[in-house]
Amino acid sequence: EVQLVQSGAEVKKPGESLKISCKGSGYSFTTYWIAWVRQMPGKGLEWMGTIYPGDSATTYSPSFQGQVTISVDKSISTAFLQWSSLTASDTAMYYCARLVVSMFGVVEYGMDVWGQGTAVTVSS
Amino acid sequence: DIQMTQSPSSVSASVGDRVTITCRASQGISSGLAWYQQKPGKAPKLVIYAASSLQSGVPSRFSGSGSGTDFSLTINSLQPEDFATYYCQQGNSFPYTFGQGTKLEIK
Repeated sequence: EVQLVQSGAEVKKPGESLKISCKGSGYSFTTYWIAWVRQMPGKGLEWMGTIYPGDSATTYSPSFQGQVTISVDKSISTAFLQWSSLTASDTAMYYCARLVVSMFGVVEYGMDVWGQGTAVTVSS
Repeated sequence: DIQMTQSPSSVSASVGDRVTITCRASQGISSGLAWYQQKPGKAPKLVIYAASSLQSGVPSRFSGSGSGTDFSLTINSLQPEDFATYYCQQGNSFPYTFGQGTKLEIK
C-alpha cells in the first residue's frame, strides 16, 4: 500500500525548535516530490514548499521562505519540515503529500497521496 | 503568485441534487488544475487532476471542466458522503496556490 505516515502531534512553547517527519512507503520514494501544506485552525490549505528526494532540490513558497526548512533523508524514505524558533502563528495542522512535477514546473496528476497530518500547537 | 478564487464560498444542497463549484485563476494556467475534497478532521483527497481527469477510485458522478482561467467541478446526484469542503489548486506554476475552499452542506 502506498502511504505517507507523519509524526505525531506536538505541543511546543514559543521560541522552541521543532522537526516533524513524513515517511513514505509502498513506492519509489526518490521518484516523487514531497510537498508540505499548512492548514491553520478553521482555515484553508496553504502551499509551503516541495522537495525532490532524488537530489534534495527544494522550492519554497515566498510566504514561507526563511520561516521553515524542508529536508529529506532518502536512506529512510523520510521528508522533514522544521522550525528554528516557533511562534503562536505556527499553530496549525501540517500535511505532506506526494506529487510529480514536470521539467517545466507543472504538477502532473495532482497530489494523489497525503499523510494523515501533524498537529502543531505553540502556546506559552 | 497566481490567485485562485472559488465560488460560492458555501452552498447548501440536498441528496440527489446536482452542484457546480467554480474556480477562477488570476492568469491562464492551461489545464493545470486539481480539485480536492476534505472532510472534517481528515486529510484532503484528490478528486480531479489536469482539470478534467478523474482520480482512480473516485465515483463517476464527479466531473471537472475548463482551461485557461475558468474551471468547474460538478457533482451529479449528490450522495451523503459528498458533503465536505472542496478546494481547487493550480499546478501550472510555483507556488501552487489553492482556492479558499467551498463548503458543501446538506440542506
